[in-house]
Amino acid sequence: GQQLNQSPQSMFIQEGEDVSMNCTSSSIFNTWLWYKQDPGEGPVLLIALYKAGELTSNGRLTAQFGITRKDSFLNISASIPSDVGIYFCAGQVGGNKLVFGAGTILRVKS
Amino acid sequence: GAVVSQHPSRVICKSGTSVKIECRSLDFQATTMFWYRQFPKQSLMLMATSNEGSKATYEQGVEKDKFLINHASLTLSTLTVTSAHPEDSSFYICSARAGGGTDTQYFGPGTRLTVL
Repeated sequence: GQQLNQSPQSMFIQEGEDVSMNCTSSSIFNTWLWYKQDPGEGPVLLIALYKAGELTSNGRLTAQFGITRKDSFLNISASIPSDVGIYFCAGQVGGNKLVFGAGTILRVKS
Repeated sequence: GAVVSQHPSRVICKSGTSVKIECRSLDFQATTMFWYRQFPKQSLMLMATSNEGSKATYEQGVEKDKFLINHASLTLSTLTVTSAHPEDSSFYICSARAGGGTDTQYFGPGTRLTVL
């Protein structure tokens, strides 16, 4: 089946640093999504990408939909303590189900 | 943004009992709702997709007789875990989508099920 490889698995960074994480797949996706999940909560959508090559920002977050449709990255600039959480990428083909990556755990040193 | 609620947020039950979890879209009509399961330190795994008024479509390996899904209205879907066992203990999350295709899925806050 379709699988997403998300990396890194976890990150421990200094407040103020920029963060980058990515997802790759051997399959093509038509939509890439990035979610953040806080402990004990459901995922919250951060950024949705619908076109190959698309670069979209949401505040300090920037994400890109790879030109091959097989990858995406998420950047967080100037990290702050509330950025702590688990970040998931998800891919979708057509109107079908979402396939989630394994997640990136972000911990920020204040 | 659209709001999805789940009830209860936490439930503890004895082995062999059944547990019902509700998922509601509060400010939009959800033609499709999804049920996910998330074990500790793992990603979300889709269990089933339900469209209002029709039978749910289950993912491979998910027992439809054990995880009963009802999507009787455009704002409510329920997941019933029948004859729960300790290995069913998990975080169950629903999501709801207004339209089809690439319409955004909005996730509920999740339900923590613990089976003793």
